[in-house]
Amino acid sequence: QAQLLESGGGVVQPGGSLRLSCVASGFIFTTYNIHWVRQAPGKGLEWVAGIWYDGSNIQYVDSVKGRFTISRDNSKNTVYLQMNSLRVNDTAAYYCARDIGVVLMDVWGPGTTVTVSS
Amino acid sequence: DTQMTQSPATLSASVGDRVTITCRASESISRWLAWFQQKPAKAPKLLIYRGPNLDSGVPSRFSGSGSGTEFTLTITNLQPDDFATYYCLQYNTYPYTFGQGTKVEVK
Repeated sequence: QAQLLESGGGVVQPGGSLRLSCVASGFIFTTYNIHWVRQAPGKGLEWVAGIWYDGSNIQYVDSVKGRFTISRDNSKNTVYLQMNSLRVNDTAAYYCARDIGVVLMDVWGPGTTVTVSS
Repeated sequence: DTQMTQSPATLSASVGDRVTITCRASESISRWLAWFQQKPAKAPKLLIYRGPNLDSGVPSRFSGSGSGTEFTLTITNLQPDDFATYYCLQYNTYPYTFGQGTKVEVK
């Protein structure tokens, strides 16, 4: 059974950093692109970043460019989201989801919560 | 960026109803559109991808149509489990963008 599991969320002060992890199991990780999607409390979904199966293509939403870095370690079936210079409005539940091109985001993790507050 | 305008924001319906949710893209996205269902405190669930294609296990009462800039999600014979929030997502170009969401609530 294909699964994704996020970790690394927590409470951090504005300007701080966190690294989220997304660990995959039950499928051939090296054939899937992975995305991060976030949802601020009481708000809608926002796509944050995506990385191709081999790491050759990386994309970000403008609001996180220069602050967030997505990467993957295929030997560990893991995608990371390094988040620096965090802002209050980065507070959200962060989800990772897989993608194989046509079929987008068919498996999601349960999410990890990031709270940026002084 | 491609803007996705989803309507209505809220929809009141009863079990057995037929409901339709619309997403309009600010530019053509061909059929690169997906629909998701989300329940409170849960991860979204993929319903439909690349236009009309149902994800595995999704009941046939869900259907998607459209291409270019206009898309619809239709739920026929609404069931109690269908009361949730629905989002469209365009994946034609980066950054991928979601619609604002439609909450389907009990009338």
